[in-house]
Amino acid sequence: SAVISQKPSRDICQRGTSLTIQCQVDSQVTMMFWYRQQPGQSLTLIATANQGSEATYESGFVIDKFPISRPNLTFSTLTVSNMSPEDSSIYLCSARDQPDTQYFGPGTRLTVL
Amino acid sequence: GEDVEQSLFLSVREGDSSVINCTYTDSSSTYLYWYKQEPGAGLQLLTYIFSNMDMKQDQRLTVLLNKKDKHLSLRIADTQTGDSAIYFCAVGQNFVFGPGTRLSVLP
Repeated sequence: SAVISQKPSRDICQRGTSLTIQCQVDSQVTMMFWYRQQPGQSLTLIATANQGSEATYESGFVIDKFPISRPNLTFSTLTVSNMSPEDSSIYLCSARDQPDTQYFGPGTRLTVL
Repeated sequence: GEDVEQSLFLSVREGDSSVINCTYTDSSSTYLYWYKQEPGAGLQLLTYIFSNMDMKQDQRLTVLLNKKDKHLSLRIADTQTGDSAIYFCAVGQNFVFGPGTRLSVLP
């Protein structure tokens, strides 16, 4: 199984600023993802982080707001740009391993004031 | 798109069995999954079942799959207070998650 770590674990940010969340996997994985979990809600897929190319965004999410990098097979970043209180959420990194199982990081709890 | 539904709440007494249900619309998934989320934590993969299986047992956990009815269930035997958490099913090629079932275990 893949072990995933995220930094920071939580942050409180001011409106209009940006925060970059880092995700590190302890092994090379084919696919990495970013999810958002709003308070009391289920998970919503933001995008698939593609190694060496632009991320694939789900409907309702755009690159300008959530730029994603994936420079190699074990690391990815998600930036939440120009934040507003509506961006307050838990952001989860995920990695898909064999046999087609998906593991999650501990999440980053973001509060925007 | 995929639609996944779960009951939002379940309360059981310690020592009883818990059954958490999930219905879905996409039948193309090779695997179907159950995750557990404890307060303030990320998601923990509990178990999964291959789509050509009807049942999978793993210690206190039993997963039942009815492909015809597109119904997945998770049974927890001898439920303990440490089982209190939110349980999510996830199905489909794109791992679509249900809304989660909040399990409360009463002493």
